[in-house]
Parts: sequence; structure tokens; C-alpha cells
Amino acid sequence: KAGVTQTPRYLIKTRGQQVTLSCSPISGHRSVSWYQQTPGQGLQFLFEYFSETQRNKGNFPGRFSGRQFSNSRSEMNVSTLELGDSALYLCASSLAIPPDTQYFGPGTRLTVL
Amino acid sequence: KNEVEQSPQNLTAQEGEFITINCSYSVGISALHWLQQHPGGGIVSLFMLSSGKKKHGRLIATINIQEKHSSLHITASHPRDSAVYICAVNFGNEKLTFGTGTRLTIIP
Repeated sequence: KAGVTQTPRYLIKTRGQQVTLSCSPISGHRSVSWYQQTPGQGLQFLFEYFSETQRNKGNFPGRFSGRQFSNSRSEMNVSTLELGDSALYLCASSLAIPPDTQYFGPGTRLTVL
Repeated sequence: KNEVEQSPQNLTAQEGEFITINCSYSVGISALHWLQQHPGGGIVSLFMLSSGKKKHGRLIATINIQEKHSSLHITASHPRDSAVYICAVNFGNEKLTFGTGTRLTIIP
């Protein structure tokens, strides 16, 4: 069974631009969560989706948004990029709603210049 | 405030040593996770537990609900165990809250 895939793996953007990151969960998994990892703040929860519904949202500004499609694939969008948005963005999927074992993707490393 | 604390932050040991990493949390939880992150970023879930003890190979995870404390043990440590180990918990609202991680280095 294929693992969680994320695209793109690396991304370089400039301040003010917007970016869309994609996550494909493990087949059959209906829950997708997004996390941001930075050296200063560590791992922080962004959103969690189950069956196309956002169930939980972390403490991030409205510039961060996401969605989940009927095939469980998920996207997150960051508008008006800031330097501080440079981070590793990780997606994880699970079979059921949390708490459940999370299977992480390799991440998308976003650099904002 | 829902907090997760890990100790130690850094740990260096010789190959073969018994390793213990600790995690404490502030309020009641629905589940606790131990995660492993190798250089390059990939995260692997090692355990999810809500009570008692789990074992997988050389790894053992325990949790004491009354004391709000969990430990991750590695027996017969090996250089390939070198990684960052992260404790994460589901507090009542279910989203994961993470500890700051323990950087483990095993010297051959």
C-alpha cells in the first residue's frame, strides 16, 4: 500500500505570493491533518479534516486555509506569504478520526524569500 | 494550558546502552503518541497508547495516567536509533500537541 504523498517536496516563493500544497493520504484513510514544523516553534497543528469537513483548526492566521476533496486528498493554501512561513509542512493521514495512529508524509519544505 | 514537556532535550549514549526518554503532560488526555524523526524530516509513528505498556522490537512505551507521564525505552541501542523522538498528545479536543523533542545520538 502506498504511503502518504505530498507535492511538491520543495518550494521557493517570495513574500506576498501564495502557495498551494497537496497531500494524498493512504488509500482508505479518511482523516488528514496538517502540521507546520519550524526550528523555533517545533511542530504545530494546522488543520484536521475528515470526510471533507474541517474538524479542528490550530492557532494560525486566516492566511492559512485548507480543504479536503471527496477522494480524501487534501490541499492547504497560504496566501500573502511572510518570511516566517518558511517551514516544513507535514501532512498525516489516519483511518479514523483522532485519536488514531497518524501516518506522516515526507513533507513539503517551503522557503519564503 | 495544555502542555507537553520532554526530557532530556539531548541525549548521547554508547551503542548497547539502555535509553529512556520522558514525557509529561499537564491535563488529562485521550491518547499519547511517540514519534521518530530522522534527518531529512520524515516522521514515523512508533506508538499510540492510552494506558499501560506497548512493546515493538527493542522499543517499549509506558504511560502512567495518574501521574500524567510516559516513557519511551530503547534496549540495546544502535547507531541507527539516532533520531529525534517526539512525544505528542491528544488533549480533550483531539488535535495533537507536541513536545519539543529529544535528540538522541548513539555512538558506535
